[in-house]
Amino acid sequence: EIVMTQSPATLSVSPGERATLSCRASQTISSDLAWYQQRPGQAPRLLIFGASTRAAGIPARFSGSGSGTEFSLTISSLMSEDFAVYYCQQYNNWPKYTFGQGTKLESK
Amino acid sequence: EIQLEESGGGLMQPGGSMRLSCAASGFAVRNNYMTWVRQAPGKGLEWVSLIYGSETTYYADSVRGRFTISRDSSKNTVYFQMNNLRPEDTAIYYCARSSGKWFDPWGQGTLVTVSS
Repeated sequence: EIVMTQSPATLSVSPGERATLSCRASQTISSDLAWYQQRPGQAPRLLIFGASTRAAGIPARFSGSGSGTEFSLTISSLMSEDFAVYYCQQYNNWPKYTFGQGTKLESK
Repeated sequence: EIQLEESGGGLMQPGGSMRLSCAASGFAVRNNYMTWVRQAPGKGLEWVSLIYGSETTYYADSVRGRFTISRDSSKNTVYFQMNNLRPEDTAIYYCARSSGKWFDPWGQGTLVTVSS
């Protein structure tokens, strides 16, 4: 099983500032990585696939990067609706998909 | 508009059975990969099952042999039959369309509670 590890567990950032979230895979997964946002009480929403491609309707302030085992999600200028939990997911080891444990992005 | 709506959750005793439904609109389930992902209370996401093609199915080790995914193309609905339920199966169960790789969109989820 490919283990996905996200850091930090909680990130406190002020609105308008930049936030960078990290995700590490226990073995190389090429660019087979997706990012999801989950707001309180809501279902997850796809943000990024292929490590860096934004899904339809996702604002340009969200960007993804990385390949191999190290990945990051950057939100360039935080808005109030961006404070949520973010998950990474690998699909390289199809169909044994695995998610990271999540990073909670909170307002400072 | 593409939408998914889960139903069928509730409270069940350990050892019991439950069937979840996921009604799709805006696309045909028979032409897509469909998946179930669950989230235990206050915890992260866990993939549990996938169906695609001519009824090819996959399961996570935690549910294999107890849970069965299926679909009814005439009703455009995916089902998740859960047998021999355990307390550790307590979670919100989400249905999602898959590309075979990532999951999009997701339904709103249905809560399954296994407790005596």
